[in-house]
Amino acid sequence: DGGITQSPKYLFRKEGQNVTLSCEQNLNHDAMYWYRQDPGQGLRLIYYSQIVNDFQKGDIAEGYSVSREKKESFPLTVTSAQKNPTAFYLCASNVGTVTDTQYFGPGTRLTVL
Amino acid sequence: GENVEQHPSTLSVQEGDSAVIKCTYSDSASNYFPWYKQELGKGPQLIIDIRSNVGEKKDQRIAVTLNKTAKHFSLHITETQPEDSAVYFCAASMYSGGYQKVTFGTGTKLQVIP
Repeated sequence: DGGITQSPKYLFRKEGQNVTLSCEQNLNHDAMYWYRQDPGQGLRLIYYSQIVNDFQKGDIAEGYSVSREKKESFPLTVTSAQKNPTAFYLCASNVGTVTDTQYFGPGTRLTVL
Repeated sequence: GENVEQHPSTLSVQEGDSAVIKCTYSDSASNYFPWYKQELGKGPQLIIDIRSNVGEKKDQRIAVTLNKTAKHFSLHITETQPEDSAVYFCAASMYSGGYQKVTFGTGTKLQVIP
């Protein structure tokens, strides 16, 4: 059963804490992406990775960090430097060619208490 | 950079009627236009896409049209059903700076009234 999985589905964080969101895919996709979704807004790109051990900042990378040690995994850490982290976080992947569909995981809803 | 505008933000239709969602984009370099359906609390799911060398594409009750000259594209859903109720996002995509950059519209919340 191929696809993208994200965990946890819901995550609560106290102010000042770092939290890590998991994203795993078994689609053999080279490229992976993290987006943030806020109510009434489109998806905004946080980080992306085209290949293992390489990643680039997206439009709103401040306060976030990522790693890409394995092709299948692209975890996102929301650090205490992110001033407004409450949002719905979506991971996506694709083959990485010029016009290729991005497929999304089910998302993680992060709430700061 | 690319800017995608999507209208309307909310749309209510009677079951069986048609629904149309319109998007415009600003950068002529965009060459791939996917449409996603997102149900509450879930990730977006691709429902149809169109590439810049095609003017129209249809898949059962769903169709998408693209006018490259005017830089706009539209989603058409015919014979709407209650299960079509969701938020729909359009997107414009291009290959820029070594990666596929996708710019999303702000979404249309479609409500199909039984």
